[in-house]
Amino acid sequence: DGGITQSPKYLFRKEGQNVTLSCEQNLNHDAMYWYRQDPGQGLRLIYYSQIVNDFQKGDIAEGYSVSREKKESFPLTVTSAQKNPTAFYLCASSIRAQNTEAFFGQGTRLTVV
Amino acid sequence: AQSVTQLGSHVSVSEGALVLLRCNYSSSVPPYLFWYVQYPNQGLQLLLKYTSAATLVKGINDFEAEFKKSETSFHLTKPSAHMSDAAEYFCAVTSSNFGNEKLTFGTGTRLTIIP
Repeated sequence: DGGITQSPKYLFRKEGQNVTLSCEQNLNHDAMYWYRQDPGQGLRLIYYSQIVNDFQKGDIAEGYSVSREKKESFPLTVTSAQKNPTAFYLCASSIRAQNTEAFFGQGTRLTVV
Repeated sequence: AQSVTQLGSHVSVSEGALVLLRCNYSSSVPPYLFWYVQYPNQGLQLLLKYTSAATLVKGINDFEAEFKKSETSFHLTKPSAHMSDAAEYFCAVTSSNFGNEKLTFGTGTRLTIIP
């Protein structure tokens, strides 16, 4: 079945550590996105990539980094510079066209301990 | 600039009653509008989308939404609520000039179904 796989589902990190969240898709989508979800705030865009080897900052990119070396993969690193990293992280992908919906993974819940 | 306002962060309806979740948007160019549903600790799933082809849009699970340009609204309705409809619902907007990198989400409405 085609879809988006995020791993792990739950992740615990100590303060001061970097951590990488995985996102893989087999939908042959060019565009991929990372969102952060906090209670009562909806989804906020962290980074997006429309093509391999290229990515752009979203609205809340500070403290995060990404790479897009393969079409299928778009990992997100939460660095120690992110002051409040505890959140639910969602990866999504879509084709590159107007009025196309995004397909979402099941999310990774990151908790800083 | 574009934005979405979802009126009511929590909505409760009785099983079998009408579901109405409100969404108002702001966009300087013709918008594309979406409703997504999220079950606890899961990703978002598309319910329906407005493509400008028809103002009344039908989606999955008997949900529908009507685009009203004069009211800048895209409210979500379902004639008869089921227990399985309990979830969080997000309205989202993007403009016709961009792809999903400019998708703006509302803050969500949590729907509770009363048995």
